[in-house]
Amino acid sequence: EAGVAQSPRYKIIEKRQSVAFWCNPISGHATLYWYQQILGQGPKLLIQFQNNGVVDDSQLPKDRFSAERLKGVDSTLKIQPAKLEDSAVYLCASSSGLSRTQYFGPGTRLTVT
Amino acid sequence: AQSVSQHNHHVILSEAASLELGCNYSYGGTVNLFWYVQYPGQHLQLLLKYFSGDPLVKGIKGFEAEFIKSKFSFNLRKPSVQWSDTAEYFCAVAERYNFNKFYFGSGTKLNVKP
Repeated sequence: EAGVAQSPRYKIIEKRQSVAFWCNPISGHATLYWYQQILGQGPKLLIQFQNNGVVDDSQLPKDRFSAERLKGVDSTLKIQPAKLEDSAVYLCASSSGLSRTQYFGPGTRLTVT
Repeated sequence: AQSVSQHNHHVILSEAASLELGCNYSYGGTVNLFWYVQYPGQHLQLLLKYFSGDPLVKGIKGFEAEFIKSKFSFNLRKPSVQWSDTAEYFCAVAERYNFNKFYFGSGTKLNVKP
Protein backbone atom coordinates (compact mmCIF):
# COMPACT_ATOMS: atom_id res chain seq x y z
CA GLU A 1 0.00 0.00 0.00
CA ALA A 2 1.11 3.57 -0.61
CA GLY A 3 2.62 5.42 2.33
CA VAL A 4 1.95 8.85 3.72
CA ALA A 5 2.65 11.51 1.10
CA GLN A 6 3.85 15.01 1.89
CA SER A 7 4.74 18.02 -0.20
CA PRO A 8 6.81 19.98 -0.67
CA ARG A 9 9.88 18.16 0.61
CA TYR A 10 11.85 21.36 1.13
CA LYS A 11 10.87 25.00 1.53
CA ILE A 12 12.91 28.11 2.17
CA ILE A 13 11.10 31.31 3.07
CA GLU A 14 11.88 34.61 4.71
CA LYS A 15 10.52 35.48 8.12
CA ARG A 16 7.04 36.98 8.10
CA GLN A 17 6.17 35.10 4.91
CA SER A 18 3.48 32.42 4.77
CA VAL A 19 3.88 28.76 3.95
CA ALA A 20 1.61 25.74 3.58
CA PHE A 21 2.32 22.03 3.74
CA TRP A 22 0.17 19.25 2.38
CA CYS A 23 -0.30 15.69 3.59
CA ASN A 24 -2.16 12.73 2.14
CA PRO A 25 -2.46 9.88 4.63
CA ILE A 26 -2.57 6.16 3.97
CA SER A 27 -5.92 5.25 2.43
CA GLY A 28 -8.50 4.43 5.06
CA HIS A 29 -6.60 5.94 7.96
CA ALA A 30 -8.98 8.01 10.01
CA THR A 31 -6.42 9.61 12.30
CA LEU A 32 -3.93 12.16 11.04
CA TYR A 33 -1.16 13.88 12.98
CA TRP A 34 1.13 16.84 12.32
CA TYR A 35 4.43 17.00 14.17
CA GLN A 36 7.22 19.55 14.36
CA GLN A 37 10.75 18.18 14.67
CA ILE A 38 13.41 20.73 15.49
CA LEU A 39 16.99 19.70 14.84
CA GLY A 40 18.32 17.57 17.70
CA GLN A 41 14.90 16.94 19.21
CA GLY A 42 12.20 14.35 18.91
CA PRO A 43 8.95 15.05 17.05
CA LYS A 44 6.46 17.23 18.94
CA LEU A 45 2.76 16.78 18.24
CA LEU A 46 1.13 19.93 16.87
CA ILE A 47 -2.35 18.71 16.02
CA GLN A 48 -4.27 15.46 15.78
CA PHE A 49 -7.37 14.87 13.66
CA GLN A 50 -9.89 12.07 13.91
CA ASN A 51 -11.58 12.11 10.50
CA ASN A 52 -12.13 15.85 9.98
CA GLY A 53 -12.44 16.77 13.66
CA VAL A 54 -9.65 18.03 15.89
CA VAL A 55 -8.82 15.71 18.79
CA ASP A 56 -5.84 17.61 20.20
CA ASP A 57 -4.29 20.93 19.23
CA SER A 58 -2.95 21.91 22.65
CA GLN A 59 0.60 22.44 21.37
CA LEU A 60 -0.32 24.26 18.17
CA PRO A 61 0.73 27.96 18.27
CA LYS A 62 -2.67 29.14 17.14
CA ASP A 63 -1.63 32.74 16.62
CA ARG A 64 0.37 31.71 13.57
CA PHE A 65 -0.31 28.03 12.82
CA SER A 66 -3.50 26.59 11.41
CA ALA A 67 -4.47 23.20 10.06
CA GLU A 68 -7.47 21.71 8.39
CA ARG A 69 -8.70 18.37 7.15
CA LEU A 70 -11.88 19.29 5.37
CA LYS A 71 -13.02 16.00 3.89
CA GLY A 72 -11.39 13.72 6.42
CA VAL A 73 -8.66 12.68 4.01
CA ASP A 74 -5.80 15.00 3.14
CA SER A 75 -4.71 17.88 5.30
CA THR A 76 -2.88 21.19 5.11
CA LEU A 77 -0.80 22.91 7.76
CA LYS A 78 -0.18 26.63 7.39
CA ILE A 79 2.17 29.05 9.09
CA GLN A 80 1.41 32.74 8.80
CA PRO A 81 3.61 34.65 9.46
CA ALA A 82 6.70 32.49 9.86
CA LYS A 83 9.38 33.13 12.47
CA LEU A 84 13.00 32.02 12.52
CA GLU A 85 12.22 29.49 15.25
CA ASP A 86 9.76 27.72 12.95
CA SER A 87 12.69 26.22 11.05
CA ALA A 88 12.15 22.50 11.46
CA VAL A 89 10.96 19.35 9.74
CA TYR A 90 7.17 19.08 9.65
CA LEU A 91 6.04 15.48 9.76
CA CYS A 92 2.67 14.06 8.92
CA ALA A 93 1.59 10.68 10.23
CA SER A 94 -1.55 8.62 10.04
CA SER A 95 -3.05 5.64 11.80
CA SER A 96 -6.09 3.48 11.25
CA GLY A 97 -7.51 4.25 14.68
CA LEU A 98 -6.83 6.00 17.92
CA SER A 99 -4.95 3.07 19.41
CA ARG A 100 -2.95 2.04 16.43
CA THR A 101 0.55 2.44 15.10
CA GLN A 102 1.41 5.72 13.39
CA TYR A 103 2.98 5.69 9.96
CA PHE A 104 5.08 8.69 9.00
CA GLY A 105 5.62 10.58 5.79
CA PRO A 106 9.02 11.85 4.61
CA GLY A 107 8.48 15.30 6.10
CA THR A 108 8.88 18.84 4.84
CA ARG A 109 12.08 20.60 5.82
CA LEU A 110 11.32 24.29 6.38
CA THR A 111 14.07 26.88 6.60
CA VAL A 112 13.08 30.38 7.66
CA THR A 113 15.73 33.04 6.94
CA ALA B 1 2.30 16.12 30.53
CA GLN B 2 4.13 12.97 29.63
CA SER B 3 7.92 13.03 29.34
CA VAL B 4 10.07 10.48 27.57
CA SER B 5 13.76 10.28 28.37
CA GLN B 6 16.39 8.74 26.20
CA HIS B 7 19.57 8.89 28.19
CA ASN B 8 22.07 8.26 25.42
CA HIS B 9 22.17 11.00 22.82
CA HIS B 10 24.99 9.54 20.77
CA VAL B 11 26.31 5.99 20.82
CA ILE B 12 29.28 4.69 18.85
CA LEU B 13 29.79 0.94 18.54
CA SER B 14 31.86 -1.42 16.48
CA GLU B 15 30.15 -4.07 14.39
CA ALA B 16 29.12 -7.18 16.37
CA ALA B 17 28.95 -5.24 19.61
CA SER B 18 25.77 -5.50 21.67
CA LEU B 19 23.39 -2.57 21.89
CA GLU B 20 21.09 -1.34 24.60
CA LEU B 21 19.32 2.01 24.37
CA GLY B 22 17.46 3.28 27.37
CA CYS B 23 13.97 4.76 27.40
CA ASN B 24 12.02 5.90 30.43
CA TYR B 25 8.66 7.61 30.58
CA SER B 26 6.71 9.42 33.25
CA TYR B 27 3.07 8.55 32.62
CA GLY B 28 1.59 6.18 35.19
CA GLY B 29 -1.45 5.09 33.21
CA THR B 30 -1.93 2.55 30.45
CA VAL B 31 0.47 3.12 27.60
CA ASN B 32 1.40 1.81 24.20
CA LEU B 33 5.14 1.83 23.60
CA PHE B 34 7.10 2.15 20.39
CA TRP B 35 10.57 2.35 18.99
CA TYR B 36 10.98 4.13 15.67
CA VAL B 37 14.12 4.29 13.57
CA GLN B 38 15.22 6.91 11.07
CA TYR B 39 17.95 5.81 8.69
CA PRO B 40 20.00 8.56 7.02
CA GLY B 41 17.88 10.34 4.43
CA GLN B 42 14.79 8.28 5.19
CA HIS B 43 11.61 8.86 7.15
CA LEU B 44 10.65 7.46 10.52
CA GLN B 45 9.86 3.76 10.44
CA LEU B 46 8.38 1.52 13.08
CA LEU B 47 10.93 -0.84 14.63
CA LEU B 48 8.73 -2.52 17.19
CA LYS B 49 5.77 -1.88 19.47
CA TYR B 50 4.23 -3.03 22.72
CA PHE B 51 0.50 -2.88 23.40
CA SER B 52 -0.06 -5.68 25.91
CA GLY B 53 0.91 -9.25 26.74
CA ASP B 54 4.49 -10.56 26.76
CA PRO B 55 6.66 -7.64 27.91
CA LEU B 56 9.51 -8.82 25.69
CA VAL B 57 8.72 -7.83 22.15
CA LYS B 58 10.63 -8.59 19.02
CA GLY B 59 10.83 -6.29 16.05
CA ILE B 60 12.44 -6.15 12.66
CA LYS B 61 16.13 -6.68 11.94
CA GLY B 62 16.83 -8.57 15.16
CA PHE B 63 15.81 -5.80 17.55
CA GLU B 64 13.90 -6.48 20.74
CA ALA B 65 12.65 -4.40 23.64
CA GLU B 66 11.54 -5.15 27.16
CA PHE B 67 8.74 -3.34 28.94
CA ILE B 68 9.34 -3.10 32.69
CA LYS B 69 6.25 -1.48 34.13
CA SER B 70 7.69 -0.98 37.61
CA LYS B 71 10.59 0.98 36.16
CA PHE B 72 8.58 2.85 33.51
CA SER B 73 11.13 1.63 31.02
CA PHE B 74 11.15 0.24 27.50
CA ASN B 75 14.76 -0.41 26.58
CA LEU B 76 15.83 -1.43 23.10
CA ARG B 77 18.38 -4.18 22.57
CA LYS B 78 20.22 -5.96 19.80
CA PRO B 79 22.81 -8.66 20.50
CA SER B 80 25.06 -7.86 17.56
CA VAL B 81 24.85 -4.60 15.59
CA GLN B 82 25.71 -4.15 11.95
CA TRP B 83 26.97 -1.13 10.06
CA SER B 84 23.52 -0.87 8.46
CA ASP B 85 22.03 -0.18 11.91
CA THR B 86 23.57 3.29 11.82
CA ALA B 87 20.53 5.51 12.34
CA GLU B 88 18.67 7.62 14.86
CA TYR B 89 16.37 5.77 17.24
CA PHE B 90 13.32 7.31 18.88
CA CYS B 91 11.30 5.94 21.75
CA ALA B 92 7.64 6.94 21.79
CA VAL B 93 4.91 6.55 24.37
CA ALA B 94 1.20 6.81 23.69
CA GLU B 95 -1.42 7.38 26.35
CA ARG B 96 -3.84 4.65 25.42
CA TYR B 97 -6.93 6.24 26.94
CA ASN B 98 -6.09 9.81 25.96
CA PHE B 99 -6.72 9.61 22.23
CA ASN B 100 -3.45 7.73 21.83
CA LYS B 101 -1.53 10.97 22.27
CA PHE B 102 2.10 10.37 21.33
CA TYR B 103 5.19 11.65 23.09
CA PHE B 104 8.63 11.14 21.62
CA GLY B 105 12.01 11.06 23.23
CA SER B 106 14.78 13.25 21.90
CA GLY B 107 16.41 10.38 20.02
CA THR B 108 19.68 8.46 20.14
CA LYS B 109 22.08 8.60 17.25
CA LEU B 110 23.78 5.27 16.74
CA ASN B 111 26.96 5.15 14.74
CA VAL B 112 28.25 1.65 13.95
CA LYS B 113 31.83 1.49 12.79
CA PRO B 114 32.62 -1.22 10.25
